[in-house]
Amino acid sequence: DTAVSQTPKYLVTQMGNDKSIKCEQNLGHDTMYWYKQDSKKFLKIMFSYNNKELIINETVPNRFSPKSPDKAHLNLHINSLELGDSAVYFCASSQELDGGNEQFFGPGTRLTVL
Amino acid sequence: QKEVEQNSGPLSVPEGAIASLNCTYSDRVSQSFFWYRQYSGKSPELIMSIYSNGDKEDGRFTAQLNKASQYVSLLIRDSQPSDSATYLCAASASNFGNEKLTFGTGTRLTIIP
Repeated sequence: DTAVSQTPKYLVTQMGNDKSIKCEQNLGHDTMYWYKQDSKKFLKIMFSYNNKELIINETVPNRFSPKSPDKAHLNLHINSLELGDSAVYFCASSQELDGGNEQFFGPGTRLTVL
Repeated sequence: QKEVEQNSGPLSVPEGAIASLNCTYSDRVSQSFFWYRQYSGKSPELIMSIYSNGDKEDGRFTAQLNKASQYVSLLIRDSQPSDSATYLCAASASNFGNEKLTFGTGTRLTIIP
């Protein structure tokens, strides 16, 4: 199946730990994104990579570090986790077509920091 | 100031009726607009995109864009219980082909059988 996939689906951890979330897309898209959806369901972009190059870097604590080893993968590493990091993190990918750039989302990773 | 605004709802519509979802945006340079449907506990799913003024129809869905009024809407005809979900409006201004999507807070739609 062509899709955007993420691992793990659920992540429960203690404050202060370091964790990573992985994302892969087999859609052949050039651009990948990380979004955070908080408890009020507000979806906000964090980062965007185009062909392994960082394009968008919103105001995100530097405890969050994305890495793109190739254009099909975008990982998110979070250091020193805090309670406020609890959220659902979505990966997305897109390819510009006909003047538009439709983004397709992965299934999400629900992070709970205790 | 929110850049994309939606009525959070909940919006209740009888089965078979037309559901009308509205969205306004503040950034005049926005060029592309999207409607995503998100079921509880699931990821956003793209259902419509619209780039030029007017209407765009796809099955039971019609997106409407009015750039002068900075207004986007989504109509769902013949509403079904399976349409019950949160609908997210998103706007973007292309940055060298890399779209930064700004989402509204979503409208929760409930279709009443």
